[in-house]
Amino acid sequence: KQEVTQIPAALSVPEGENLVLNCSFTDSAIYNLQWFRQDPGKGLTSLLLIQSSQREQTSGRLNASLDKSSGRSTLYIAASQPGDSATYLCALIPSGGYNKLIFGAGTRLAVHP
Amino acid sequence: EADIYQTPRYLVIGTGKKITLECSQTMGHDKMYWYQQDPGMELHLIHYSYGVNSTEKGDLSSESTVSRIRTEHFPLTLESARPSHTSQYLCASSPPGQGSLRGYTFGSGTRLTVV
Repeated sequence: KQEVTQIPAALSVPEGENLVLNCSFTDSAIYNLQWFRQDPGKGLTSLLLIQSSQREQTSGRLNASLDKSSGRSTLYIAASQPGDSATYLCALIPSGGYNKLIFGAGTRLAVHP
Repeated sequence: EADIYQTPRYLVIGTGKKITLECSQTMGHDKMYWYQQDPGMELHLIHYSYGVNSTEKGDLSSESTVSRIRTEHFPLTLESARPSHTSQYLCASSPPGQGSLRGYTFGSGTRLTVV
């Protein structure tokens, strides 16, 4: 059974730091992996989607990488800002998973001025 | 702009009431999903649909039911609400194709409190 783990569970940093959020999964047979942002009490906003054949995706200050062989993905946030404070969720669709996303528990990020 | 809409945004209701949470999408997506999320916890799939008249139960057991009579509409119903149903319910959709290029789109969620 596919399991998704995110480390760290929580992170508090001063503004301006470069951050790395980690996501690991137990089965490398995946279709894609998606990073989401969730603000308190809100829905999910898609940040980056990486297809299984891709190694990384970039959007602005965000960069996500995927290494299927090691079962890992990282989300890199450059020059963090207080507005980046949120919970970041990693989710993937396993091969043969009929498009059902499997989520990690998330990393709660707080960026203070 | 195409999007996915959930109503109500917040709902406080008494035990035993019947409730329906609405979810609609304007993107023409064939697949739709309901996830349940308790505060500070993971999202768990409770229902999904691959198209009209297709509904399946998800990985987490739920007393709710769903229907898919129209492509764009995927309502969730609780026949008799209980305090244990208090949670956030998130609706999502994805376009045709396995492991689609554009991934999932989520609604803003309905925060349900049963008193």
